[in-house]
Amino acid sequence: SYVLTQPPSVSVAPGQTARITCGGNNIGSKSVHWYQQKPGQAPVVVVYHDSDRPSGIPERFSGSNSGNTATLTISRVEAGDEADYYCQVWHTSSDEWVFGGGTKLTVL
Amino acid sequence: QVTLKESGPVLVKPTETLTLTCTVSGFSLSDAGMAVSWIRQPPGKALEWLAHIFSNDEKSYSTSLKSRLTISKDTSKSQVVLTMTNMDPVDSATFYCSRIQKAAASAYYYYYMDVWGKGTTVTVSS
Repeated sequence: SYVLTQPPSVSVAPGQTARITCGGNNIGSKSVHWYQQKPGQAPVVVVYHDSDRPSGIPERFSGSNSGNTATLTISRVEAGDEADYYCQVWHTSSDEWVFGGGTKLTVL
Repeated sequence: QVTLKESGPVLVKPTETLTLTCTVSGFSLSDAGMAVSWIRQPPGKALEWLAHIFSNDEKSYSTSLKSRLTISKDTSKSQVVLTMTNMDPVDSATFYCSRIQKAAASAYYYYYMDVWGKGTTVTVSS
């Protein structure tokens, strides 16, 4: 099966830039999506297809994907960005959606 | 406005079968390229995809849970139903349904989960 590896936690001060990585074998050949989940709430997509942003998501959220690592970048981090973030891909070999283990973003 | 709402029992006993319903609005389960997915999340743990069903009735299941899952849809009722057999306390989780949206890139299509329901929490206990 396909495995996506995320760091369990990332901490950043307000106004700084947070980078959350998602590692997977040749993930650069896949379309990566990122979801934000705040406590007690359902996930919300913040970046899809590697780097596209749904309407209503601030431009501070951006994504990239190359080689074996995809990255979600949050610029000018705000307290309201504190949440769990999950990466996701569709693994065609097994016809399955795969989620990363999630990264807890803490705003110091 | 696209919405999805999960419903089902709050409590099930070990070995019982869980039946969950996702009722959708704002789109049709017969819309070309559309799909609905089920995802679960045990308390304090990560998201885990379970199954999805497309408008053409194409289905996919998690490899690890395939033997226990069945997904189906009733287009006239705008509902997608997931059954999970032989429930165990470790299956206690919040269950979400989500819409899978089809989008076009330059030379191919891709899919992502663009709208999620609020989730329903299921506890497995005797």
